[in-house]
Amino acid sequence: TQLLEQSPQFLSIQEGENLTVYCNSSSVFSSLQWYRQEPGEGPVLLVTVVTGGEVKKLKRLTFQFGDARKDSSLHITAAQPGDTGLYLCAGVRGSARQLTFGSGTQLTVLP
Amino acid sequence: ETGVTQSPTHLIKTRGQQVTLRCSSQSGHNTVSWYQQALGQGPQFIFQYYREEENGRGNFPPRFSGLQFPNYSSELNVNALELDDSALYLCASSAGQQETQYFGPGTRLLVL
Repeated sequence: TQLLEQSPQFLSIQEGENLTVYCNSSSVFSSLQWYRQEPGEGPVLLVTVVTGGEVKKLKRLTFQFGDARKDSSLHITAAQPGDTGLYLCAGVRGSARQLTFGSGTQLTVLP
Repeated sequence: ETGVTQSPTHLIKTRGQQVTLRCSSQSGHNTVSWYQQALGQGPQFIFQYYREEENGRGNFPPRFSGLQFPNYSSELNVNALELDDSALYLCASSAGQQETQYFGPGTRLLVL
């Protein structure tokens, strides 16, 4: 059972377009992470957001954590084919820092 | 610095068999977490080992068990394999329980 819902599940866009991926939950997390996973590899951490309302920018990627620390969004500006991959959000909680992953958004950026 | 490595990369088993998957943690990391990622889904937490002790477990039955060795490498054992156990099994290591987890490439298990 996925406690984190991601939308959309699939997204195919042209190079240069903007996009937003959403990650929603009814649970509160101590922090939230975004990962990107490519075929044949494990997820790679992009960012961790900790404070409600926090906004972090990583080049063309902008990450936002909701005020109530239950939801987050990832916005990509001027997408490039190299952005293609599976984007996963993961809520962090507990002493084991257990990660609860969303179901992922498969992004394809066409040249 | 060597990253997280996993073996084997692929494995095919039949229902009812047992399997052992291996993970070598990144140098200096004492914590290993295991995840199951079914096709089209996000990873699901199986359990975590910290300094050779289980330190947290997800919603998986007892036939999923693990071990961490003094060099902090780890094994995931699954008994009485079921068809639904077919998935990518990911291992992640970290320098402590509160630190960032770094994932290996995974072992893809197919149960026939």
